[in-house]
Amino acid sequence: GAVVSQHPSRVICKSGTSVKIECRSLDFQATTMFWYRQFPKKSLMLMATSNEGSKATYEQGVEKDKFLINHASLTLSTLTVTSAHPEDSSFYICSARDLAGDGYTFGSGTRLTVV
Amino acid sequence: QKEVEQDPGPLSVPEGAIVSLNCTYSNSAFQYFMWYRQYSRKGPELLMYTYSSGNKEDGRFTAQVDKSSKYISLFIRDSQPSDSATYLCASALNAGNMLTFGGGTRLMVKP
Repeated sequence: GAVVSQHPSRVICKSGTSVKIECRSLDFQATTMFWYRQFPKKSLMLMATSNEGSKATYEQGVEKDKFLINHASLTLSTLTVTSAHPEDSSFYICSARDLAGDGYTFGSGTRLTVV
Repeated sequence: QKEVEQDPGPLSVPEGAIVSLNCTYSNSAFQYFMWYRQYSRKGPELLMYTYSSGNKEDGRFTAQVDKSSKYISLFIRDSQPSDSATYLCASALNAGNMLTFGGGTRLMVKP
């Protein structure tokens, strides 16, 4: 089945630094990828929809200057958390849909801890 | 009211029991319905995917969609301890649209 590879799986960074998270579709092309944030014991909250070759669409309340999304190719989307603060600590997950298959495939998630 | 509602649980059952997980949704335009399983600190894993109303079976798992009552169900037969996880239902308007998730139900299957 379709595989989405997400890296890194966990990262610890200092306040004020930036962190980049990568999401790759390994055996299919993804014109659209989705970025979610998940707090402990909570469901997934959609942050933005990433479209290849165009600007991402952000959900209400999500700062686009803080969460930079780049989708430069059909197999790679990146989320950069800029000037990270402890409140940005969370589990970030990407998702993509394989047009040839069913459903949406998720990456394994990235646990970000900002200290 | 959230678009997709799900009882958070936790739901605790003995091994071998039949598990029934349920969601309700409010947007009658939803056409695609999915169930995901998420283990702790992992990304969600697609279990079942259905379009419109009806049943779909895959091994021990059966997904049901009743669009008239806006009700989504997942049944797990012969539950195993390895089924212990959080189960998320999700809906979408069309293929390729963003998913709207329920809050997730935590299931514990005890040996």
